[in-house]
Order: sequence, then structure tokens, then C-alpha cells
Amino acid sequence: AQKVTQAQTEISVVEKEDVTLDCVYETRDTTYYLFWYKQPPSGELVFLIRRNSFDEQNEISGRYSWNFQKSTSSFNFTITASQVVDSAVYFCALSDYNNNDMRFGAGTRLTVKP
Amino acid sequence: KAGVTQTPRYLIKTRGQQVTLSCSPISGHRSVSWYQQTPGQGLQFLFEYFSETQRNKGNFPGRFSGRQFSNSRSEMNVSTLELGDSALYLCASSGGYRGHSPLHFGNGTRLTVT
Repeated sequence: AQKVTQAQTEISVVEKEDVTLDCVYETRDTTYYLFWYKQPPSGELVFLIRRNSFDEQNEISGRYSWNFQKSTSSFNFTITASQVVDSAVYFCALSDYNNNDMRFGAGTRLTVKP
Repeated sequence: KAGVTQTPRYLIKTRGQQVTLSCSPISGHRSVSWYQQTPGQGLQFLFEYFSETQRNKGNFPGRFSGRQFSNSRSEMNVSTLELGDSALYLCASSGGYRGHSPLHFGNGTRLTVT
């Protein structure tokens, strides 16, 4: 069975601080995909990044970076120099190769204070 | 391209009634998935349709059903509404039917059952 765990329910930081959101997953599949989504107060989930199980290369996109480690089944997300606009709920998700029934973690609510 | 459109945005229904929610996917997307989001259970997968066929179904009672039309638009129906059905219902479309395709979400329909 697939499972995604985001142990951090809520995180509060002050603007310009760095913050890391943790994601741990479980799957028996050898081919799978990991995702991060952002849900701002408006409600729409916004796709941020996808990683496949064969690509452990870390990725950086502006202030965002992702660390994928198969050895620890983790796919963590770091925001550098956080801004108030980063305040949102962030979800980590997992899907296998054959299906679109993506499974989501419980989400981490990030609040960035000015 | 226009995004995923869900109608209506808000609904208030009474226990025992039924409700139909509508979703128009991104043009060209043939996969449509539905999710229920509640504070207690988080994001839970309801079902996924591809080319008018239900491919995957989550662990929800038979009161929850859906369908997809030839133009890829989808509807979700909940019969005999219960108080616990109050939630944000999110529709997502995808450009592929494999798990590597990111889901693109609409703003959701917030259903309140009284």
C-alpha cells in the first residue's frame, strides 16, 4: 500500500528564514512518482515539482529546492529566504506508474510572518 | 489555456438530498480525478475517469458516483447526503493516464450539508 507522511502539521517562521518541509513515503513499487503541491488560501492546489523513482538528483528552482533520498524514502522541500507569499499548505504526494490515483500526505501549513 | 473549472463554487444542502458537481478539465486532458478534502481526513481520492471509463476508485461508499462525458467533462454525484459529506471537493485533470502526469486542480466546490 502507498502512504505519504508529513509529520509537521504546522510550521511558523519569520520572513527570510529558511524552512524545510519533510515528506516520507512508503511504496512497494519500483517505479513511482513523487510530487509537491502548494495550496494557498484560495483553495486551488498548484503543482510545484515531480520526481520519478529513478532520478535522485536534487533540484533547485529559485528559492525552492528538493532533496530526494531513496535510502530514507524521503522527499523534502526547502524554501530559502522565505517570504510572506509562501504562506500556504504544502502537500507531498505519491503515485505509481500505472495509475492516476495520487495519494497525498496530510499537508504542512506554513505561515511566514513579516 | 483555461484551467480546470468547477461549478458551483459553493453549495448548501440538507441531509438526505442529493447533489451533482461539475468539472471541466483543461482542454485536451482526458483524465479527470476527484478528491474530497476535509480537515480531519485530508485529501482523499474518490475516483478517476479516462475516456469516459472509471479506471480507479477510492474507498468511498456507493453514494458517491461519477461519470465522464465524451468531451471529457465530468460530474460527481452524492446521493442521500450526510453531515459528514461536508467538504471541499476538488477536481483535477491530467494530460496522461499514467502516474507520472501531474494533476492540475480546480478551485473546488465547497459543499455544506446541514
